Amino acid sequence: AQTVTQSQPEMSVQEAETVTLSCTYDTSENNYYLFWYKQPPSRQMILVIRQEAYKQQNATENRFSVNFQKAAKSFSLKISDSQLGDTAMYFCAFMEQNTGGFKTIFGAGTRLFVKA
Amino acid sequence: GAVVSQHPSRVICKSGTSVKIECRSLDFQATTMFWYRQFPKQSLMLMATSNEGSKATYEQGVEKDKFLINHASLTLSTLTVTSAHPEDSSFYICSARPETGHNQPQHFGDGTRLSIL
Repeated sequence: AQTVTQSQPEMSVQEAETVTLSCTYDTSENNYYLFWYKQPPSRQMILVIRQEAYKQQNATENRFSVNFQKAAKSFSLKISDSQLGDTAMYFCAFMEQNTGGFKTIFGAGTRLFVKA
Repeated sequence: GAVVSQHPSRVICKSGTSVKIECRSLDFQATTMFWYRQFPKQSLMLMATSNEGSKATYEQGVEKDKFLINHASLTLSTLTVTSAHPEDSSFYICSARPETGHNQPQHFGDGTRLSIL
């Protein structure tokens, strides 16, 4: 069965600094998708960034970028120039298509605090 | 972008009451929607996959008779918590995925905080 592991329950970073959140996953499939979602205190789930497994180039969205290492099954999120509004819970997610359709599995989450 | 609307956002009711939560995809059709439950400071736990026009697929350990799911149209799925008790208090989130394009992520509703007294 597919699993997603986020080994850092909590992290903190100083405003304007850079922080990296780690994520590893386990699958026997070759085609799949990876996502990072942000959940602020409002509890709204917000898509931060996505990566297709068949793409070698790491995805980038403004201050957010990923380091996708397919062989190592690693998908870390780097937040540059951290802002106070980045304080939230971050979930790594894995999605693949099976006979029942698309299914998404979430990691346990990493709580990020950005300090002023 | 794709929008998913979930209603109500907050419910407080007495034990024994049945509560219905609606999940709508506002600008796309979704033959499949997903219902999650989230306990405080924990991750999202998939409860069931809602399938338009057919029975929902429940995850192991989720009571089908407790959590009734209906997906009568391509834009609406409902979750009914029947005879709710305090242990059913939780945060429930729905999601749907646009089916055009192969890499569409799930889009989430804003969630429903259910409190059973």
